[in-house]
Amino acid sequence: ELKVEQNPLFLSMQEGKNYTIYCNYSTTSDRLYWYRQDPGKSLESLFVLLSNGAVKQEGRLMASLDTKARLSTLHITAAVHDLSATYFCAVDIPPNTGNQFYFGTGTSLTVIP
Amino acid sequence: NAGVTQTPKFQVLKTGQSMTLQCAQDMNHNSMYWYRQDPGMGLRLIYYSASEGTTDKGEVPNGYNVSRLNKREFSLRLESAAPSQTSVYFCASSEQADTQYFGPGTRLTVL
Repeated sequence: ELKVEQNPLFLSMQEGKNYTIYCNYSTTSDRLYWYRQDPGKSLESLFVLLSNGAVKQEGRLMASLDTKARLSTLHITAAVHDLSATYFCAVDIPPNTGNQFYFGTGTSLTVIP
Repeated sequence: NAGVTQTPKFQVLKTGQSMTLQCAQDMNHNSMYWYRQDPGMGLRLIYYSASEGTTDKGEVPNGYNVSRLNKREFSLRLESAAPSQTSVYFCASSEQADTQYFGPGTRLTVL
């Protein structure tokens, strides 16, 4: 059974602090997707990591992928209130086909001023 | 360029009623998807369509049917709604294994 697990599920952090969200998956995959969802809204694509060792950065967010460990991380640097949202990772099965996407349960991030 | 659109935005049904959720995309994507989102469970794939004319079951297909009407449109039908189908439904599209683009969602309540 495919599992995509995120931790932590809930994260409350102060502005200016750093933290990392982890995404573990149980199947072979070369790609990993990160999305953001604001309360009551739809999902917005953040990153697509295409291969082992891939690293992408956008503003205060940086994502990386280790396909051997089946692990992706989303690192938050100097958090600001605007980053408060739920973050999801996802993998596609069979790998790299875009057929079925399996999502983690999400990490709800609250940044406290 | 509207992206992915869904109708309706909100719907309340009584148990046993039927309805169709509509989805359309204007990005010329081959792949389209239907998800449901329930609290604490992330998104779960109901059905997907890898190309026009094909549809396949996802993780939670029971109680649903789909139609890929043409390349743009992918509809989801609930033949006999049940309270367990109360959820937020998202349609998405992508070009193969590229990132997905999501619609605004439909909030469905089944009484």
